Amino acid sequence: AQSVTQPDIHITVSEGASLELRCNYSYGATPYLFWYVQSPGQGLQLLLKYFSGDTLVQGIKGFEAEFKRSQSSFNLRKPSVHWSDAAEYFCAVGGKEYGNKLVFGAGTILRVKS
Amino acid sequence: DAMVIQNPRYQVTQFGKPVTLSCSQTLNHNVMYWYQQKSSQAPKLLFHYYDKDFNNEADTPDNFQSRRPNTSFCFLDIRSPGLGDAAMYLCATSRDTETQYFGPGTRLLVL
Repeated sequence: AQSVTQPDIHITVSEGASLELRCNYSYGATPYLFWYVQSPGQGLQLLLKYFSGDTLVQGIKGFEAEFKRSQSSFNLRKPSVHWSDAAEYFCAVGGKEYGNKLVFGAGTILRVKS
Repeated sequence: DAMVIQNPRYQVTQFGKPVTLSCSQTLNHNVMYWYQQKSSQAPKLLFHYYDKDFNNEADTPDNFQSRRPNTSFCFLDIRSPGLGDAAMYLCATSRDTETQYFGPGTRLLVL
C-alpha cells in the first residue's frame, strides 16, 4: 500500500539553528511531492512542491526540500529557524500512482526554543 | 487575492442535530475536497468533487454528505452528528489533480 513516513513525531530546535524534517514515501515512480505547514487551529499552507525538474526546490518562508529518487525521500530543510516556524509540518505525496489523491504523512511537530 | 474560504470558523452543534459547513473559492478550480482532521492526526479525505462528479471515499460514513451547487461553492452536511464527529473540517481545491490549496478550516464541537 502507498504510504508516507515522517519518522519524527516531535522535533525541538533552538532558534537560529538549522532544521531538517524527514519524509519517505513507499510507492510511485514519478510522484508529486508536497510539504504543508499547519499552525494550531489553522488550515494547511503549502510550503513547496516538486513535480519534475531540478530536485532541489525552494519554497516560502526560507524553506527548501530535496527530492532523492534513490532514497525515496523528500526532506525539508531550513538553514536558520525562527520562533514563528513552530507548527506542524506534513509531507504529502500525490500523482497517478496515488489515485490522483494526496497521501499524507503523520506530521512532525516542530518546537522552537529560545 | 484568490483564496479558499470556509464558514463558519467555529461551529457548535448538539448531538444528533444536522449541521452544514460551507466552503467557497475564488481560484476557479474544478476540484473541491472535504477532509476531516482530528487532533494530532493527518487530514483524512472524506470525498471530493471533480467538476460535477462526486467521489466518495470507501470508509466515509453515510452520515456525511456533500453538495456542490456550482463551481465556487461546496457544502458538507452532517446529518446526525455524534461526539466522534468533533474535529477540524478542511476544504481544499485544485485544478485537476495538481496542487491542493486549503481553506482555514471549521472547528466543529458536538455537545
